[in-house]
Formats: sequence, C-alpha cells, structure tokens
Amino acid sequence: GQSLEQPSEVTAVEGAIVQINCTYQTSGFYGLSWYQQHDGGAPTFLSYNALDGLEETGRFSSFLSRSDSYGYLLLQELQMKDSASYFCAVREGTGRRALTFGSGTRLQVQP
Amino acid sequence: EAQVTQNPRYLITVTGKKLTVTCSQNMNHEYMSWYRQDPGLGLRQIYYSMNVEVTDKGDVPEGYKVSRKEKRNFPLILESPSPNQTSLYFCASRAQGVGETQYFGPGTRLLVL
Repeated sequence: GQSLEQPSEVTAVEGAIVQINCTYQTSGFYGLSWYQQHDGGAPTFLSYNALDGLEETGRFSSFLSRSDSYGYLLLQELQMKDSASYFCAVREGTGRRALTFGSGTRLQVQP
Repeated sequence: EAQVTQNPRYLITVTGKKLTVTCSQNMNHEYMSWYRQDPGLGLRQIYYSMNVEVTDKGDVPEGYKVSRKEKRNFPLILESPSPNQTSLYFCASRAQGVGETQYFGPGTRLLVL
C-alpha cells in the first residue's frame, strides 16, 4: 500500500515564500505530483517529479528526493489567489496504476 | 476547449435508488479515473480505466461500478446508494505516456438520504 503525509494547514503572508512538504511510503514509486484545489473547485495539476531534483514552473517549484521518500512544493511571491488546498500524489510503478493522494495542505495567504 | 465534463453536478437521492454519474472527455485520453473527496481524507480513487473495456479497482471500489465502452465516456454507477456514499465525486483523465498531467471534471456533489 501507499501512504502520504503532508501538513494540514500552512499560513503565510503575501509576497512571502512557503514550502509544503510531503513524505511518502510506497511499495513501488513512479513519481510525485502536486495539485492545487480552490474551495468549490476541481483539482488542477501543478507539477510532476519522476527524478531527484527541482522542477520550476514560474512561481512554483517542486522538489523530489527519492532516497528520502520526500518532496516539497515551493511557492514564491505568494499572492492572495494562492490560498487553496495543495495535494501531493504518488503513482505506483509496478502493476497497479492507481494514483494515491495525500490528505491535502490548506494554505491561507494573509495580506 | 479541452475538458472533462460530469453530470449531474448536484444530486440528492435516497438509499437504494440506482444512479449513474456520467463523465466525458474530449481529449482522446486513454486513462480515466473516478475519485471521491471527503473532508480530512483527500481524494481517494474508486476505479480507473486504462482504455476501452479495461478497468480496475482503486482504493475504495465497494458499492460502485464503472464501464468503459467508448474511449470518451466513463460512467460511475451506484447500484444501491447508501448514506456513506455521500461525497464529492471527481472524474479525471490523462493521456498515456505524457507525463502525469491529469485533468479533472468540475465535480458531482452527491447526497444520499
């Protein structure tokens, strides 16, 4: 089976940098994804890491360390619109192709 | 416009009354999935399909059925809904072999009385 842990809530101010961590346990690892979900909305894909290192997409970056079973999402120059829930997700690399999500981190950006 | 659509968006029903939630995507994606989202539990996969006529159970398949007769459609069937199936349901699709970008439908909020 698989399990993921991420903080339930994070608060930061506009313009700041925030890091949302995700640790995982899985029997087979294919990659770590991040999704954003605003209240009342559908999850939207943010980033994906299959290999160790940092992936950058604009203000958002995602990091993966396979040896530590750990990743994080880094949000820079926070804006009010970044207030949302953020989910990490892992896909098994063997057999079953299911995607398992963490329980989500609610980010509140304050003025 | 590339999108995943779900219907209905909101549904109130009673225990035991069969219902179907439709899902359709216009991106010619091979993979489609159904998730349920409950407070504090995140998104949990119900069923997924790797292509037409190929489906498999996710983490919480009990009480649900799916079918994939056409590539674009992946309906979720609740044969005999129960109150513990009250949840927010999302359909999603992604292309085979093209990273991990998964596109979600707008969600269906189901209340089973």
